[in-house]
Amino acid sequence: EIVLTQSPGTLSLSPGERATLSCRTSQSVGSSYLAWYQQKPGQAPRLLIYGASSRATGTPDRFSGSGSGTDFTLTISRLEPEDFAVYYCQQYGSSSWTFGQGTKVEIK
Amino acid sequence: QITLKESGPTLVKPTQTLTLTCTFSGFSLNTSGVGVGWIRQPPGKALEWLALIYWDDDKRYSPSLKSRLTITKDTSENQVVLTMTNMDPVDTATYYCAHKSSGYFRYHFDYWGQGTLVTVSS
Repeated sequence: EIVLTQSPGTLSLSPGERATLSCRTSQSVGSSYLAWYQQKPGQAPRLLIYGASSRATGTPDRFSGSGSGTDFTLTISRLEPEDFAVYYCQQYGSSSWTFGQGTKVEIK
Repeated sequence: QITLKESGPTLVKPTQTLTLTCTFSGFSLNTSGVGVGWIRQPPGKALEWLALIYWDDDKRYSPSLKSRLTITKDTSENQVVLTMTNMDPVDTATYYCAHKSSGYFRYHFDYWGQGTLVTVSS
């Protein structure tokens, strides 16, 4: 099973700042199979990015995804108040899906 | 408009079997490539994928939980059912169902239900 490790666990930033979230996989993952989700308290996850870099419908362009192989990154160019949430990466491989443990982006 | 909604018991006793139903609309599970998955989230913890069923009745299970899970579909009723046997307090979680779209390289979940909290306690 492919393990996803997200870092940092918590990111404390101010509105307007840039956020860089990392997702490392224990084995190489096809870029097409890497996605990012945003989850706010009491809500279901929301798909942000799929195929490592494609924005889902409704995802603002301040969100961008990049990476390949075992290293993937979600970048939020300028944090808006509504962006403070938990972010999960997810991969598909060997007929199985796995999620990372999440990165919490909190207001500094 | 795609929607999904989970239903089932909110409380189960240890060793019992949990049965959850996902009722969906806005898509058909007869469409090639489409799937419905189940994902859970213990309170304050990360997401964990459990199972997925494809339009052609192909099924995939989490390796760590495979022996306890069964996923089925009723296309005519637009429902997917997940059963989990031998429930334990560590299985206390919010259980989500989610839509996997068709198309090449589309192995993400683009629509989610609101989730249902299941507590395992005697």
